[in-house]
Amino acid sequence: DVKVTQSSRYLVKRTGEKVFLECVQDMDHENMFWYRQDPGLGLRLIYFSYDVKMKEKGDIPEGYSVSREKKERFSLILESASTNQTSMYLCASSRSAGGFYGHNEQFFGPGTRLTVL
Amino acid sequence: LAKTTQPISMDSYEGQEVNITCSHNNIATNDYITWYQQFPSQGPRFIIQGYKTKVTNEVASLFIPADRKSSTLSLPRVSLSDTAVYYCLVASSGYSTLTFGKGTMLLVSP
Repeated sequence: DVKVTQSSRYLVKRTGEKVFLECVQDMDHENMFWYRQDPGLGLRLIYFSYDVKMKEKGDIPEGYSVSREKKERFSLILESASTNQTSMYLCASSRSAGGFYGHNEQFFGPGTRLTVL
Repeated sequence: LAKTTQPISMDSYEGQEVNITCSHNNIATNDYITWYQQFPSQGPRFIIQGYKTKVTNEVASLFIPADRKSSTLSLPRVSLSDTAVYYCLVASSGYSTLTFGKGTMLLVSP
C-alpha cells in the first residue's frame, strides 16, 4: 500500500522557534508538496518540489522554506514560527513521467497539526 | 490562474444522488479537473479526474460541459460513510496551475 508519512500528528511550539516538519514517501515519486489547511480557506499550496534539490514556490511561501536532499524526503521549515502559522500541514506526493504534471494523482499524508503559542 | 468556487456545505439523505458543482471560469487549455475526498483526521484522497465531457468510475461520475468553466461531481446513492469534505482541484501539466477549491462539506443523514 502506498504511503506518505509525516513526522508528527501534533506539534506545539513557541513563537520564534525554528520548526521542522518532515515528510517521507515510499512510492519513488518525483513530486512532493506541502499544503496548509485552515477552516474556510481549504488547501493552500506552500511549496512543491519536482526533483531532488529542486523547489518551486506555491501560493503562500512567505515565512516558510523547504529542503529536499533525498527523493523520498521533503522537509518544511518555519525559520521563526509565528502564531499565524498555527494550522494543519499536509504533505503529498505524485509521480511524474518526463515532466511535472500537476494534475497527476496526489497521495496525501495524515497531516501535522501545528500550534504556535 | 484558474480560481475555483464550490458551495461551502450540502446536506443529503442516504440513498439520494448528490451533485456538487465547482466553478472554474478561468480554466486554461492544459488544465485538468480533479476531485478529492477528505475524512476527518485524514489527508485528502483522489476520487476522479476529467478533462472534458463525462468520466465515470466505480464511486462517482464527473460531468464537464463543453466550455469547461464548471464541473459537477455526482455521487450516486450516497451512504452515511460519504459524509466528508470534497475538494475540486484545477491543475495542469507544467508549473502554471495547481489550485484547490475551499471544499464542500457534505453531510449525509439517515
